[in-house]
Amino acid sequence: AQTVTQSQPEMSVQEAETVTLSCTYDTSENNYYLFWYKQPPSRQMILVIRQEAYKQQNATENRFSVNFQKAAKSFSLKISDSQLGDTAMYFCAVRNYGQNFVFGPGTRLSVLP
Amino acid sequence: NAGVTQTPKFQVLKTGQSMTLQCAQDMNHNSMYWYRQDPGMGLRLIYYSASEGTTDKGEVPNGYNVSRLNKREFSLRLESAAPSQTSVYFCASSESISAGYQETQYFGPGTRLLVL
Repeated sequence: AQTVTQSQPEMSVQEAETVTLSCTYDTSENNYYLFWYKQPPSRQMILVIRQEAYKQQNATENRFSVNFQKAAKSFSLKISDSQLGDTAMYFCAVRNYGQNFVFGPGTRLSVLP
Repeated sequence: NAGVTQTPKFQVLKTGQSMTLQCAQDMNHNSMYWYRQDPGMGLRLIYYSASEGTTDKGEVPNGYNVSRLNKREFSLRLESAAPSQTSVYFCASSESISAGYQETQYFGPGTRLLVL
């Protein structure tokens, strides 16, 4: 069975600084996808970034990037130049081929002015 | 293009009452999902529908039923609500669960349910 762990229930960062959210997962598959979703106070779940497990190159989307360590089963999210609008819950998720998503418990990030 | 919509946004029920949560998507997606979100537990899958006409249990199906009314709509029913079902419920859709593991799920805004 797949499991996803996010060891930081809450984090805070000053505006314009960089923060890294950690995620570890467990899966018996060799090919899978990893996702980070953002849930702002509006509760809408928004896809931030995704990573293919068979690609060694780390995914980037503007200020968001990941550090994917397949052997360690680690998938951390780095947010550069943090903005007030980044304040949200962040969920890490893993998906094997043809199967459903498995989500972690989330990390609540507060960006401070 | 509204994406995924859910009604109602908020509901209070008494123990034993029944209700149906509605979900609709306008993206022509084949697969639809119902999750519940509880503090410290992330999102847990209740039921899903891989395609029109099919439904399957997820991780926490007990106490719920679903109906895939057509390709657009996927409803979640609580026949006899219990306080343990107090939660935030999210509907999601994706192009197809079998299209590949890279596909993305798109979420509705959620329904906050309080069972007294």
